[in-house]
Amino acid sequence: GAGVSQSPSNKVTEKGKDVELRCDPISGHTALYWYRQSLGQGLEFLIYFQGNSAPDKSGLPSDRFSAERTGGSVSTLTIQRTQQEDSAVYLCASSLDRSNEQFFGPGTRLTVL
Amino acid sequence: KNEVEQSPQNLTAQEGEFITINCSYSVGISALHWLQQHPGGGIVSLFMLSSGKKKHGRLIATINIQEKHSSLHITASHPRDSAVYICAGGSARQLTFGSGTQLTVLP
Repeated sequence: GAGVSQSPSNKVTEKGKDVELRCDPISGHTALYWYRQSLGQGLEFLIYFQGNSAPDKSGLPSDRFSAERTGGSVSTLTIQRTQQEDSAVYLCASSLDRSNEQFFGPGTRLTVL
Repeated sequence: KNEVEQSPQNLTAQEGEFITINCSYSVGISALHWLQQHPGGGIVSLFMLSSGKKKHGRLIATINIQEKHSSLHITASHPRDSAVYICAGGSARQLTFGSGTQLTVLP
């Protein structure tokens, strides 16, 4: 079956521009997570969606970052006024619910020039 | 101090060796995850465990809740096991990740 997909796979943008990253979770998975992996650093949690509950945004690094999940399925992570330190691989994962294993997408590599 | 600590950071082994990667955590967790990240960057979930031991093929994961410690073992290691292994402590809402162990298995 189809796994978690993300688009684009690579994104190069100029400092100050806005970017949108998309995640298509596995069908039927109610939990969706966004993570970030900066060069040479570990993974860090950004945001979590569970069903129709209010998202857990505690990992978002600044108010330039926002995410939404429409219809309990597709999610979009938006970064406004990108900065060079936003350059990273952004990973999306989904799980059947919050107590199950997470399935990761291939990631979007964002480069801010 | 990171809430999830892994050791070693780097590990080189000869094909066939038994490998152990350790993970200690200081946060309260509902589950401990072991992930594998290959050079291309893709991440695969290996195990999610909250007690005891799980086995999948040549991989074994154990957890000791009282000691807040987990281990990932690889038996009869193979060069294709070369990857970064990451442990992560999970609450109901998010994961806190260790810094990863870079494993290289030489033929």
